[in-house]
Amino acid sequence: GAGVSQSPSNKVTEKGKDVELRCDPISGHTALYWYRQSLGQGLEFLIYFQGNSAPDKSGLPSDRFSAERTGGSVSTLTIQRTQQEDSAVYLCASSLKDTQYFGPGTRLTVL
Amino acid sequence: AQSVTQLGSHVSVSEGALVLLRCNYSSSVPPYLFWYVQYPNQGLQLLLKYTSAATLVKGINGFEAEFKKSETSFHLTKPSAHMSDAAEYFCAVSARYSSASKIIFGSGTRLSIRP
Repeated sequence: GAGVSQSPSNKVTEKGKDVELRCDPISGHTALYWYRQSLGQGLEFLIYFQGNSAPDKSGLPSDRFSAERTGGSVSTLTIQRTQQEDSAVYLCASSLKDTQYFGPGTRLTVL
Repeated sequence: AQSVTQLGSHVSVSEGALVLLRCNYSSSVPPYLFWYVQYPNQGLQLLLKYTSAATLVKGINGFEAEFKKSETSFHLTKPSAHMSDAAEYFCAVSARYSSASKIIFGSGTRLSIRP
């Protein structure tokens, strides 16, 4: 595809369940980023991957959050034991150099 | 360390009026600066970016921004607002001379256009 894709576009889950969010970056982009956008809030950096380097996890809010990037391409963000405050839009972006290109996001609702 | 401050969480202008969205940055290294736009229920789209070439940067949809080092500002302007400009606008900064670094976003400014 031409752009960053994310799936699912919407996810509704019950408190305490685990969820996985997927990001397919633009082909050839070496860097991949996850952000969270809560209602009425700005963008909160979560984690980023650059090539084979160790990811920068400094933005992950708790140890319930984790992410992996397999084969330098697709990434999965996992949230364990979801809480209502995890409800937000999760955005993925990829870049080759200085510009990040964003996917449409996954809207997560925790009931 | 880098940070971005967007002055005004909500700006409302009349159709045809000047749009001015303010952004000030703080960076310990020469910055890259960006403006992104987010239309309702959509992802972020790059409007324009400053990467050390011309200080006046032109972007899509008639927007432009000027990098002013002395004022540490990167304000976004458009001479004449259209109804379709109604959206959330985010200013962002990242470190120059870094092959890839996380972007620090401002808190956003919601632009409303009055008929």
